[in-house]
This record gives sequence, C-alpha cells and structure tokens, in this order.
Amino acid sequence: QSVLTQPPSASGTFGQRVTISCSGSRSNIGSNHVYWYHLLPGTAPKLLIYTNNQRPSGVPDRFSGSKSGTSASLAISGLRSEDEADYYCAAWDDRMNRYVFGTGTKVTVL
Amino acid sequence: QVQLQESGPGLVKPSETLSLTCTVSGGSIRSYYWSWIRQPPGKELEWIGYMFYSGSSSYNPSLKSRVTILVDTSKNYFSLRLSSVTAADTAVYYCASSLSGDDWGPLGYWGQGILVTVSS
Repeated sequence: QSVLTQPPSASGTFGQRVTISCSGSRSNIGSNHVYWYHLLPGTAPKLLIYTNNQRPSGVPDRFSGSKSGTSASLAISGLRSEDEADYYCAAWDDRMNRYVFGTGTKVTVL
Repeated sequence: QVQLQESGPGLVKPSETLSLTCTVSGGSIRSYYWSWIRQPPGKELEWIGYMFYSGSSSYNPSLKSRVTILVDTSKNYFSLRLSSVTAADTAVYYCASSLSGDDWGPLGYWGQGILVTVSS
C-alpha cells in the first residue's frame, strides 16, 4: 500500500482544466521533492514535473505542479484526448528509506 | 536524448533468478544514474533501486537482499538481477535514467517496459 494517496480517477471535457492531488506526510512530500509521471500502457513512461514544479524540456506548459506542506498537485489545463493516461506522483521517503510512488490517477477526457 | 530498451526472458521459474538488461543509446553510461522500477499487474509502481557507474547505489529495503544492479561502462548497458523469485515478482519491469547527472531522483528517461512472468 502506497504512502502517497491519489484519487483513483479524474475527468474533464476537451479544453478544461483538471487537477490531481497527491497526499503524503512529513517524511516524504513534507521533506523532499515531488515528481510527476505519465504512464500509457505499451509506451515509455514520461517525467512531467520534477523538483515540485519544474518541467523538463519538451513538456508543454499546460502541465504544472505545486506543493504545499505534505500535499502536492498536478494541473493539466487545455485538456486534450492525448492526455488520457495514468498519472503518478513520487517522492523519496525518509522513514521508509525508499523512493515511493503514489496510488495513481486515471485521467479520462469526456 | 537518452533512449533505453529492456531485454531478457519473459518467463522465469519460481526460485530462479530474474535477469534483465537495459541498453543505453544517445547518452554516456557515466553521465546518469540508472534505475529499475516495476509494476505488478493491476498495482502501483514500485521502485527497485538505482546505481551510478562509480558504485553509488540505493535499493528498496524490501528487495535489497535479492537485488543486484550492475553498470557496464564498457558496453553502455546496465542490468538487474533479482534472485529467488516468486509469483509476487511478476510485473512489467522498466529501466530508467535520471534527467541529469546531478540528481538521481527525477527519472527523466524510461524504457517501454518488459513483462516478466514468474511461473513453472
């Protein structure tokens, strides 16, 4: 069972904004950087956000990350059909001494 | 841009050792941290560990006693060995690299993943 909790699903219509939450604790999000990943079965996972709110080169600015206390969130604006995928947050956990992933959120474009 | 490709047997017998290789192209094996991650069917991603070419490493404590990650600087690939496997080790295994050589945390480049089934 993951120590980072995400809603199992999120949805929006084309062009809308969707926000995904990631709830942790002082030993992970509260003390360390948060990362966000995009997974589509059969394709290579993709890093969307690192160090809480930084986008790697090539990731559109429709994706944004934020962190406050022991929670983080990923926002996707201007929702597109290609955004349909699973999204995972991740962070190092000082207590468990390992890198932990969130429970994952499936985004659907209605 | 770094590109990664996993390879290895898709079926391993219980109690045997799972061995996978990740071939690296588009980047030097000395310039990044190299990680393995897995995802059992219907479950969350699980971090296995990372290795730097210098030997700096870290492993998931729950797997540490069974895991070895090696980096071959002469052939530009790295590998995963997981011993004494059981059905619980059935998963899609991904290799990944850091985004840069400064910080291993952001897993910037990933392979497409390889399904490994543990079954007799």
